[in-house]
Amino acid sequence: ETGVTQTPRHLVMGMTNKKSLKCEQHLGHNAMYWYKQSAKKPLELMFVYSLEERVENNSVPSRFSPECPNSSHLFLHLHTLQPEDSALYLCASSQDRPQGLGVTQYFGPGTRLTVL
Amino acid sequence: AQSVTQLDSHVSVSEGTPVLLRCNYSSSYSPSLFWYVQHPNKGLQLLLKYTSAATLVKGINGFEAEFKKSETSFHLTKPSAHMSDAAEYFCVPQGILTGGGNKLTFGTGTQLKVEL
Repeated sequence: ETGVTQTPRHLVMGMTNKKSLKCEQHLGHNAMYWYKQSAKKPLELMFVYSLEERVENNSVPSRFSPECPNSSHLFLHLHTLQPEDSALYLCASSQDRPQGLGVTQYFGPGTRLTVL
Repeated sequence: AQSVTQLDSHVSVSEGTPVLLRCNYSSSYSPSLFWYVQHPNKGLQLLLKYTSAATLVKGINGFEAEFKKSETSFHLTKPSAHMSDAAEYFCVPQGILTGGGNKLTFGTGTQLKVEL
């Protein structure tokens, strides 16, 4: 596997289910990101992990719970979601450095989530 | 703070004709700017980026963009459109997060349609 992979690619869940999205990066990067892409809305940054520490939580509801056990893996744990949480969830990674403008984020293919 | 305006939400061109996707930025300092492309139901792919090294930036698939400070613009161009260029394009400014990592601020993008 190369680049950034995400599993599953598609997920349908009920509002009372608990599920997890997985992201893995094979690029040796030190930062990972979760984004949400809803229909007709701009891509929204949800969480950022740098060196396995959460550095950004963009006012995301607590029914979304991220986990970064190591620099290569990122999870998004989901529970008691609402239908409006249906979206494409994208993971990205980057190799950051001090004053790191110009650092590229590499994106995975996304998980298409449908909440019934 | 940085922001961008993509002046057209939809652009339609004929195959073999030039492509111009417009982006204007607003920043109090020299920005770091990216163009990403997203094909239907896919993740985002970097086309090119500006990091103040050179004002004319060449990217993948024949795309290029020129940073013009006097016009605060970073328009994306391609001499000859191909059917496979049909996708959504995002002009994205980058900022630094104080705790590490970087932040891409996405807008609503420009949908490019390529017709025979």
